[in-house]
Amino acid sequence: DIVMTQSPDSLAVSLGERATINCKSSQSVLYSSNNKNSLAWYQQKPGQPPKLLIHWASTRESGVPDRFSGSGSGTDFTLTISSLQAEDVAVYYCQQYYSTPFTFGPGTKVDIK
Amino acid sequence: EVQLLESGGGLVQPGGSLRLSCAASGFMFSNYAVSWVRQAPGKGLEWVSAVSSGGGGTYYADSVKGRFTISRDNSKNTLYLQMNALRAEDTAVYYCAKRDGGFNIWGQGTMVTVSS
Repeated sequence: DIVMTQSPDSLAVSLGERATINCKSSQSVLYSSNNKNSLAWYQQKPGQPPKLLIHWASTRESGVPDRFSGSGSGTDFTLTISSLQAEDVAVYYCQQYYSTPFTFGPGTKVDIK
Repeated sequence: EVQLLESGGGLVQPGGSLRLSCAASGFMFSNYAVSWVRQAPGKGLEWVSAVSSGGGGTYYADSVKGRFTISRDNSKNTLYLQMNALRAEDTAVYYCAKRDGGFNIWGQGTMVTVSS
């Protein structure tokens, strides 16, 4: 099974400042058939289902603000919120969908400083 | 509107069974693989099971293999999860999710509580 880790566990950032979350997979999730990384980022607010922000490591889902961006390849990935807004307070999860089981990272809680 | 709606959750005793359903609308259900993902109270997300678009391929987390069965009825646009031999550690909100690359559509979830 591919193990997903995230760092930090939580972070507090001032409004308008940058937030960076890291995700690491225990093996490469680069899908050879399309040369894309099978890595997604989700945002979950209390009492709500997760919301897809980014997939294929860097493709922003339709309607997601452009302050959210994803980068990385192979085993190391990053989600960046360029200018934190109050509505971005949430838990963020990475997930690999390269092979089953489609494992999630443990989550990173983002708060306002 | 693209939507997934889960049902069938509830309180069940250890060792009991439940069948969850997930009704899809607003998209061509038969074209997409779908999964069940669960979240225990206060915990993170755990992928449970997936089924291919046609239903011929099924996949399970080790934690539920041999106890849970995923299936779909494309004529009814519905996904199912038959859960047998339930344990306290199966207590969670169960979400169904449509896969298109990542899981781009999620239901609101249905709560399953396993307790005596």
